[in-house]
Amino acid sequence: GDSVTQMEGPVTLSEEAFLTINCTYTATGYPSLFWYVQYPGEGLQLLLKATKADDKGSNKGFEATYRKETTSFHLEKGSVQVSDSAVYFCALSDELGTSGSRLTFGEGTQLTVNP
Amino acid sequence: GAGVSQSPSNKVTEKGKDVELRCDPISGHTALYWYRQRLGQGLEFLIYFQGNSAPDKSGLPSDRFSAERTGESVSTLTIQRTQQEDSAVYLCASSLVREQTQYFGPGTRLLVL
Repeated sequence: GDSVTQMEGPVTLSEEAFLTINCTYTATGYPSLFWYVQYPGEGLQLLLKATKADDKGSNKGFEATYRKETTSFHLEKGSVQVSDSAVYFCALSDELGTSGSRLTFGEGTQLTVNP
Repeated sequence: GAGVSQSPSNKVTEKGKDVELRCDPISGHTALYWYRQRLGQGLEFLIYFQGNSAPDKSGLPSDRFSAERTGESVSTLTIQRTQQEDSAVYLCASSLVREQTQYFGPGTRLLVL
């Protein structure tokens, strides 16, 4: 079945450091890829997505490019802030019958940014 | 508009008791999903509703788990005879039909003693 593998955490960085969180996937077909973020005490929020190969998703300074040849969707940010401290989840959509799209998640990566 | 809401936000129960978890999706969202998040792990898919029918129940862990949805609105996830391994955060999400982006509720944190 489909699966998502994320870089193990936790990750601790200083403010303004460069961030990369690795994500690779295994899937049949052509899934859409997502990064979700969970801030402390809050629900899961969509951060960015890409629906086909070579698409780049971006939001709030974060970027990820859908790489079909390496089956990857690594999350990057050039300069992190303390407010980026959260758990980040990579996910892919799995087309179900009758228009549903189940999400398959990685295990999450805890990011802590220190001032 | 209002997002996905879930109730209760926290639930503590004794082993063997039944629990009901509620989800109110975003108005107009016909697709509704339940996931489970165990401590330190990613989310596991449980069940998917399109309208009030459930085309995919493949993620339900056992026959103690069931879910229903009335119309294109509220859904209830019921866990019968709870076990300690059922302790987790139960998350609900909704989306428009044919839209892959899912919007998540804040979750219900269930603790089975």
